[in-house]
Amino acid sequence: AQKVTQAQTEISVVEKEDVTLDCVYETRDTTYYLFWYKQPPSGELVFLIRRNSFDEQNEISGRYSWNFQKSTSSFNFTITASQVVDSAVYFCALTKTSGTYKYIFGTGTRLKVLA
Amino acid sequence: DSGVTQTPKHLITATGQRVTLRCSPRSGDLSVYWYQQSLDQGLQFLIQYYNGEERAKGNILERFSAQQFPDLHSELNLSSLELGDSALYFCASSDGGSNYGYTFGSGTRLTVV
Repeated sequence: AQKVTQAQTEISVVEKEDVTLDCVYETRDTTYYLFWYKQPPSGELVFLIRRNSFDEQNEISGRYSWNFQKSTSSFNFTITASQVVDSAVYFCALTKTSGTYKYIFGTGTRLKVLA
Repeated sequence: DSGVTQTPKHLITATGQRVTLRCSPRSGDLSVYWYQQSLDQGLQFLIQYYNGEERAKGNILERFSAQQFPDLHSELNLSSLELGDSALYFCASSDGGSNYGYTFGSGTRLTVV
């Protein structure tokens, strides 16, 4: 069975600090996709990144970076120089690469960035 | 605007009632997914439709049903509502042929009183 664990329920940081959100997943599939979504206080789910299981290159997008390590089944998300606007709940999700593309979501990490 | 439209945004109804949530997918997308976000269950997959046909079912209660119409919009019907059905219901769409990350609507917040 597939499972996504986000052990950090809530994290508080002061603005400009770096913060890493952890995501650990379980799957028996040899290929899969991993995602991160952001849910700001307004409630919508905003797509951040997709990672294919055979692509272990880390990715950087502005202040955001992702570290995918297949050996430890982790897909961690780092925000550099955090800002108040980064305050949100962040979800990690896992899905297959074929068939139905239903997502298995983690329980989310609530990030509070304090001014 | 994500391109996925959900109506209504908010819904308050009494226990035992029936409601219909509506979703219009992004233009060109054939797949529609429904998810429920509740405090105790988190984000849970309910059901997927592809081009009018049911493709996959998740943890959807028998009191709930969905359909996708020829114009590709979808409706989620919730009946015999209970307090525990209070949640945020999301619709998402994708082209169905790839998995580049689907687009979510802004959700319908259902409150059962």
